[in-house]
Amino acid sequence: GAVVSQHPSRVICKSGTSVKIECRSLDFQATTMFWYRQFPKQSLMLMATSNEGSKATYEQGVEKDKFLINHASLTLSTLTVTSAHPEDSSFYICSARATSGGAINFGPGTRLLVL
Amino acid sequence: QKEVEQNSGPLSVPEGAIASLNCTYSDRGSQSFFWYRQYSGKSPELIMSIYSNGDKEDGRFTAQLNKASQYVSLLIRDSQPSDSATYLCAVLGTYSGGGADGLTFGKGTHLIIQP
Repeated sequence: GAVVSQHPSRVICKSGTSVKIECRSLDFQATTMFWYRQFPKQSLMLMATSNEGSKATYEQGVEKDKFLINHASLTLSTLTVTSAHPEDSSFYICSARATSGGAINFGPGTRLLVL
Repeated sequence: QKEVEQNSGPLSVPEGAIASLNCTYSDRGSQSFFWYRQYSGKSPELIMSIYSNGDKEDGRFTAQLNKASQYVSLLIRDSQPSDSATYLCAVLGTYSGGGADGLTFGKGTHLIIQP
């Protein structure tokens, strides 16, 4: 139980384009989902907290206009990297906790490469 | 700013021995603590959660928590080569953005089990 999926698993795009990443809770409802970014050999850094039906809460230093988050339902949150640049190339991972509580589970991650 | 500190390693342990991983945290009010294992190129996988002082055992894994010392550890008994990975300590708390609880991660300890 408590499975989190992400799509796509890997994406390569040209600089200046936008990329959408989906995060789904498959067998539970998640009021809150979290988006992390991980650069090579570094730890996960929280980018934003996604709340169903309301605006996301962004961490300090994360551009909300560049990383658009939509949490339209209790099982889906999307992260759109707008006008992507090579420095946005990273491993993006979402996580979710069931509305009933419990541990936080991670999706398998999306590896983004911007050329 | 919440901080979670881990020795980055690498920590090298012979196969069959006990691997001991340590973590300290700065927020004395933290209540929930997690150990995740991350293989290279993959997203973190939850191994253990611990919420109260003392030891918690699950198979070959034992988590230890000492809130007075703000210290949490993970012991892996009968270490196997497949245990070689980066182990992330995570603490659950509130973030600077004011959103719902998310995880603060340490930088991780790279564990190598030598056959």
